[in-house]
Amino acid sequence: DIQMTQSPSSLSASVGDRVTITCRASQSISTFLSWYQQKPGTAPKLLIYGASSLQSGVPSRFSGSGSGTDFTLTISSLQPEDFATYYCQQSYSTPWTFGRGAKVEIK
Amino acid sequence: QVQLDQSGAELKKPGASVKVSCKTSGYTFMRYDINWVRQANGQGLEWMGWMNPSSGNTGYAQKFQGRVSMTSDTSVTTAYMELTSLKSDDTAVYYCARSHVATNHLDHWGQGTLVTVSS
Repeated sequence: DIQMTQSPSSLSASVGDRVTITCRASQSISTFLSWYQQKPGTAPKLLIYGASSLQSGVPSRFSGSGSGTDFTLTISSLQPEDFATYYCQQSYSTPWTFGRGAKVEIK
Repeated sequence: QVQLDQSGAELKKPGASVKVSCKTSGYTFMRYDINWVRQANGQGLEWMGWMNPSSGNTGYAQKFQGRVSMTSDTSVTTAYMELTSLKSDDTAVYYCARSHVATNHLDHWGQGTLVTVSS
């Protein structure tokens, strides 16, 4: 199985901050990498697919980059509604696997 | 708009089975795979498997092989996930999610179904 390692596991940030979360795959997954946002008590929401494509309706302050084994999710200017947990997921080979999540908290 | 509406919470005893439904609408049901992902309380996301409503083909994570069955009824555009021989550590929220054909990303999710396994 492909292991997905996210860092950091949690971070504290202020509104307006630039936030970066990284995800590393245990083997090359090309650009078969997605990012999801999850708020407590709700289902995950797709933000980014194909490593860098913004899902329809997602604000442009979210962006993704990377290929192969190293990927990044960036929030250019953190907004109050962005405080949540973020997961990466590979869809290169089954079983699809997720990172353990990165919780973004209010500083 | 695309919607996936899941059945309600379940309370089951150890050793029992549970069947969760995922009623879809707003798109052509047979054109997309349905995946099932679960999340124990306070934990991360765990992919269980996929099924293709058109072919009936399925693929399960090895951890669940022999205990899980994913099916669909195309006449009512509904997918089902049945998990047997339940244990206490199967207590989790179970999500269905549609996956895009080309890149397999999970673009629409159900609201989740809490399955509690307790004696």
